[in-house]
Amino acid sequence: AQKVTQAQTEISVVEKEDVTLDCVYETRDTTYYLFWYKQPPSGELVFLIRRNSFDEQNEISGRYSWNFQKSTSSFNFTITASQVVDSAVYFCALRGDNYGQNFVFGPGTRLSVLP
Amino acid sequence: DVKVTQSSRYLVKRTGEKVFLECVQDMDHENMFWYRQDPGLGLRLIYFSYDVKMKEKGDIPEGYSVSREKKERFSLILESASTNQTSMYLCASSPTTGVADTQYFGPGTRLTVL
Repeated sequence: AQKVTQAQTEISVVEKEDVTLDCVYETRDTTYYLFWYKQPPSGELVFLIRRNSFDEQNEISGRYSWNFQKSTSSFNFTITASQVVDSAVYFCALRGDNYGQNFVFGPGTRLSVLP
Repeated sequence: DVKVTQSSRYLVKRTGEKVFLECVQDMDHENMFWYRQDPGLGLRLIYFSYDVKMKEKGDIPEGYSVSREKKERFSLILESASTNQTSMYLCASSPTTGVADTQYFGPGTRLTVL
């Protein structure tokens, strides 16, 4: 079975603080993909990043960075110098090559960045 | 840019009514998906379709049906709405059946069943 856990239900930070959102996954697939999506108050999920199971390089995109560690089955997301516009619900998702078309989503972490 | 649109942002229906949620994508994607989103549960897959007139059950298909008569349009049908179907419904599409494909989401329909 596949599963994604986001242990942090809600996080509040003050603007300009750094914040890390945790994601732990379970899968028996050899080949799989991990995703992060952002859901702002408008409701539409916005794709942020995709990472495949063979690529453990960390990735940085502006103030966003992702740390993928297969040894701990984690794919954590860090926002540096957070801004109010970062306030949203963030979802981590998993898709494995033996699991058909299904994405498995975590429950989401609600991030509130206070001015 | 990929555009996925949903017919309504907010919908209020009564128990027992038949409800249609419409989704349209403009990028000629093969796959389309319907999810429901509930607090603390994340997104759960209801149905998906990988081709016109083809459909597959997801994790929670009970009480729902779908229709895909045209490639760009995927409809979710609640045959007899119940209060436990009050939720946010999200439609998504992806280009192919490849496992690496990203899903692109619409803005969602918040359905309330009274």
